[in-house]
Amino acid sequence: QVQLVESGGGVVQLGRSLGLSCAASGVTFSDYGMHWVRQAPGKGLEWVAMIWHNGKNKYYADSVKGRFTVSRDDSKNTLFLQMNSLRAEDTGVYYCATDIGSGYPDSWGQGTLVTVSS
Amino acid sequence: EIVLTQSPDTLSLSPGERATLSCWASQSISRYLAWYQQKPGQGPRLLIYDASKRATGIPARFSGSGSGTDFTLTISSLEPEDFAVYYCQHRGNWPLTFGGGTKVEIK
Repeated sequence: QVQLVESGGGVVQLGRSLGLSCAASGVTFSDYGMHWVRQAPGKGLEWVAMIWHNGKNKYYADSVKGRFTVSRDDSKNTLFLQMNSLRAEDTGVYYCATDIGSGYPDSWGQGTLVTVSS
Repeated sequence: EIVLTQSPDTLSLSPGERATLSCWASQSISRYLAWYQQKPGQGPRLLIYDASKRATGIPARFSGSGSGTDFTLTISSLEPEDFAVYYCQHRGNWPLTFGGGTKVEIK
């Protein structure tokens, strides 16, 4: 059974950087593309980024392009999201999710909360 | 960017009733649409993908239909555990986007 555990969230000041991790177990990690999706407090879901299973292609939402970088380390079964130049509107719960190649996030973690404060 | 619009915002129903949720796309996305369920404090759960295919372990009371720009999620008879927020999501092109959600609440 797939288990995804996000970590690295916390309170960070406007304009600073933060890195998130997502540890996967119960799957052959290198077979899966991976997504990051976020949710502002009391709001809906917003897709953030995606990396192919082989790491060769990466896609980003316009709202984070040029500021966020998605990467992966298959030897550690871990997905990363480096977030720079953080804004107040980046506040929310960040979820990682697997993608077997369908284009849909299929199994999700419980999320990690990022709060950007002034 | 493809915009997904969900309707209604809130659906108030009783257990045993039928729920019909709608999702409209701003341009044709063929059948490249998924539905998710989210309960408070939890990550979303994939219910339906490619408009009408049930994900692994999803009960038969959940069904999806539609193509092009108009899609529907139907819950044939609401169980107590079905009261939650439901989102649609497309994979027609990049960036992926989600609809704003429909909350199904107990009447």
